[in-house]
Amino acid sequence: DAGVIQSPRHEVTEMGQEVTLRCKPISGHNSLFWYRQTMMRGLELLIYFNNNVPIDDSGMPEDRFSAKMPNASFSTLKIQPSEPRDSAVYFCASLRGDRGRRTEAYTFGSGTRLTVV
Amino acid sequence: GDSVTQMEGPVTLSEEAFLTINCTYTATGYPSLFWYVQYPGEGLQLLLKATKADDKGSNKGFEATYRKETTSFHLEKGSVQVSDSAVYFCALTAPNTGNQFYFGTGTSLTVIP
Repeated sequence: DAGVIQSPRHEVTEMGQEVTLRCKPISGHNSLFWYRQTMMRGLELLIYFNNNVPIDDSGMPEDRFSAKMPNASFSTLKIQPSEPRDSAVYFCASLRGDRGRRTEAYTFGSGTRLTVV
Repeated sequence: GDSVTQMEGPVTLSEEAFLTINCTYTATGYPSLFWYVQYPGEGLQLLLKATKADDKGSNKGFEATYRKETTSFHLEKGSVQVSDSAVYFCALTAPNTGNQFYFGTGTSLTVIP
């Protein structure tokens, strides 16, 4: 299994530009999570999906952020327009959820390091 | 609500020293507990887990025991190596949380030769 695949690994963009981050979860995993990690705030959950449906987007910082999951094997996180304070590492994680007791663990991707200048 | 509290770092140890990183949790129901490790420039990787009280998770010399009476899941290693330098995250998930995990703030460990 190739694991959770994120692209690009690094992105440098100018303020005001649109940025799209991509994630391919592990096949068979039905939950997908987007996190942001910074030195100041640590690891923050932005949004998560169960069975391609957004469940909780309360962590999305503002309307400039949007996320989609058009099918079980692909998700995007878009920032438009980008700002320097969006600079962070963005992680995607997936999980094979099951009812009742949770025994499965998240698998994280390697992350996208975003720098907005 | 459900949450995890872990000791603040950074922690600096000499090689072969004993390591403890404290983690306590608050949860409704019976959570599953996890430790993740993040090496520099990488994503978080599962280190070990325990899914019920008194279970002991172990991996790569690290251990943690799920203690329901003290709501704790402390990470221990008897003899750390330089290669263990990383950030360690405690996490939990509980029934009826919609598959969501709750992470601690992370504890940075540096092991010096």
